[in-house]
Amino acid sequence: DAGITQSPRHKVTETGTPVTLRCHQTENHRYMYWYRQDPGHGLRLIHYSYGVKDTDKGEVSDGYSVSRSKTEDFLLTLESATSSQTSVYFCAISDRGESEQYFGPGTRLTVT
Amino acid sequence: AQSVSQHNHHVILSEAASLELGCNYSYGGTVNLFWYVQYPGQHLQLLLKYFSGDPLVKGIKGFEAEFIKSKFSFNLRKPSVQWSDTAEYFCAVRTGSTLGRLYFGRGTQLTVWP
Repeated sequence: DAGITQSPRHKVTETGTPVTLRCHQTENHRYMYWYRQDPGHGLRLIHYSYGVKDTDKGEVSDGYSVSRSKTEDFLLTLESATSSQTSVYFCAISDRGESEQYFGPGTRLTVT
Repeated sequence: AQSVSQHNHHVILSEAASLELGCNYSYGGTVNLFWYVQYPGQHLQLLLKYFSGDPLVKGIKGFEAEFIKSKFSFNLRKPSVQWSDTAEYFCAVRTGSTLGRLYFGRGTQLTVWP
């Protein structure tokens, strides 16, 4: 398995609080991605990064921001969590934009 | 935006039955195609991929998929399923104009009865 860790693995938070999820990789891959997985929707891209400090929006970026200050870390922040952001969040990496992506173990986030 | 359709939401089979899961996409240009599997409680794992060349690709665990460009399809097949194949299967597409972005289908839950 690719060296990808996500933290925390589980989190319960209240509506309106900020939340930051972390993705850490040991593969030195250039590209990193954040997806959310919801029943009946498959995986949807939130944001992705194609290098340090280089990020772009995905399909469902509203309410989320990201930062990448180091190659190995990609942070996803929910500025003010809402119940609609209850989901499982997966980080993925790839060495090139056209390569296959490898996924982390996921973070289950519940917003009450 | 591109769309990826997986026609079967839930497939139930007995062990040793043959499997075919459908995947269609809506993009007329160059595509890269993927099938991922997610076992219960686990992360997504790559089953197989198509970039170019032979349209019949073989993946891990006896799975294969056929790219039919004229039908915009990339169906997953396995001649004889096992109980351990119980999982959710996702088709994903990347187009030439969306470097790095994968578009996923909604997934097909496969249940295999022993």
